[in-house]
Amino acid sequence: AQSVTQLDSQVPVFEEAPVELRCNYSSSVSVYLFWYVQYPNQGLQLLLKYLSGSTLVESINGFEAEFNKSQTSFHLRKPSVHISDTAEYFCAVIPMDSSYKLIFGSGTRLLVRP
Amino acid sequence: GAGVSQTPSNKVTEKGKYVELRCDPISGHTALYWYRQSLGQGPEFLIYFQGTGAADDSGLPNDRFFAVRPEGSVSTLKIQRTERGDSAVYLCASRSGLAGHTDTQYFGPGTRLTVL
Repeated sequence: AQSVTQLDSQVPVFEEAPVELRCNYSSSVSVYLFWYVQYPNQGLQLLLKYLSGSTLVESINGFEAEFNKSQTSFHLRKPSVHISDTAEYFCAVIPMDSSYKLIFGSGTRLLVRP
Repeated sequence: GAGVSQTPSNKVTEKGKYVELRCDPISGHTALYWYRQSLGQGPEFLIYFQGTGAADDSGLPNDRFFAVRPEGSVSTLKIQRTERGDSAVYLCASRSGLAGHTDTQYFGPGTRLTVL
């Protein structure tokens, strides 16, 4: 069985400060890793994903995540956040032996304050 | 182009009633998923369709839940004898099915079901 843990339910941060949202997973098989974002009153959107190759992946809006196999982590970072980054962020995995169903963590609410 | 759409956006029903939730995937997408998101939780997998058939229904909580996709496009999630614990946001997602795991799953806005 697989599970995804997001220990921080809420992360408050000031605008232009750096942020890290933590994600750890547990799996007996290899997985693909994802971060989805849900802006207020909007649906889930893919932010970035790791499938293979370079362990550092980036999104178009300045977020990055690094796959660490030994620590089974996929933390999300941004060096300088904006008010518009306020949203719920979900880490998820797809086990490689599955029907490509996403297994989500419980989410982290990022609150960016001016 | 049009994304995944779900109707209704909100559904309020009484305990014991039957409800149907509809999902219109992105045109041409062969893979379709249903998830359920309870308050304060991440989405949980319910069922996966590849074409018309349910390829994985291991996430359906019990036999009150059933889903169909008769023509390989629109899908309907059906819940019989609703219970208050069924209250949640039901999400639908689709992907093209052309590249398996590398396809992005695109989510609809969800249907918020409230069972009184």
